Amino acid sequence: DGGITQSPKYLFRKEGQNVTLSCEQNLNHDAMYWYRQDPGQGLRLIYYSQIVNDFQKGDIAEGYSVSREKKESFPLTVTSAQKNPTAFYLCASSNQSKGGRAFFGQGTRLTVV
Amino acid sequence: GESVGLHLPTLSVQEGDNSIINCAYSNSASDYFIWYKQESGKGPQFIIDIRSNMDKRQGQRVTVLLNKTVKHLSLQIAATQPGDSAVYFCAENRSNQGGKLIFGQGTELSVKP
Repeated sequence: DGGITQSPKYLFRKEGQNVTLSCEQNLNHDAMYWYRQDPGQGLRLIYYSQIVNDFQKGDIAEGYSVSREKKESFPLTVTSAQKNPTAFYLCASSNQSKGGRAFFGQGTRLTVV
Repeated sequence: GESVGLHLPTLSVQEGDNSIINCAYSNSASDYFIWYKQESGKGPQFIIDIRSNMDKRQGQRVTVLLNKTVKHLSLQIAATQPGDSAVYFCAENRSNQGGKLIFGQGTELSVKP
């Protein structure tokens, strides 16, 4: 939504392969987030980053890795250690000085076969 | 609270009626609370937020109520329309945890014409 781009929209990978999901924002937001959503369920926090070159684990970080080398970009790698990677992945960004209201991308649906 | 492994509760209302969606949260130090609407296959969209030092905030057709005593948040939608059918999530911004943004379980709203 408005300035946050996730790509690709759909992604298929073979079991055991690492895959990287892209998230770019042009809103000049300091904070960025990655969430996982399974069918019929809520959003669970994987990783979040408040500033460049710093990030923190969320509630389900195992099997995932991130980097924050640029303010605009927060890529998520789903590694082979993630036991059940098939899910809908959502990226968000926010301006903490404006209450932390986060804006979301349109998501990437990852299917591992 | 955090949404893990639970299916969404549902709320069914008649078109034109008012809807009330409830949410419980766990962190008394959260300083902002936010409501989102998510349509199928899309990222969540911001609806309205409220700061922890307020107990009510109104938007266009929506009102958010915050009761810090019992850690309860509600979203009221006036004159509900078919286009309001979606899943609604509350989220809390935990500034005492570095701006961690945690989502509640979500409620699926279905509007009958």
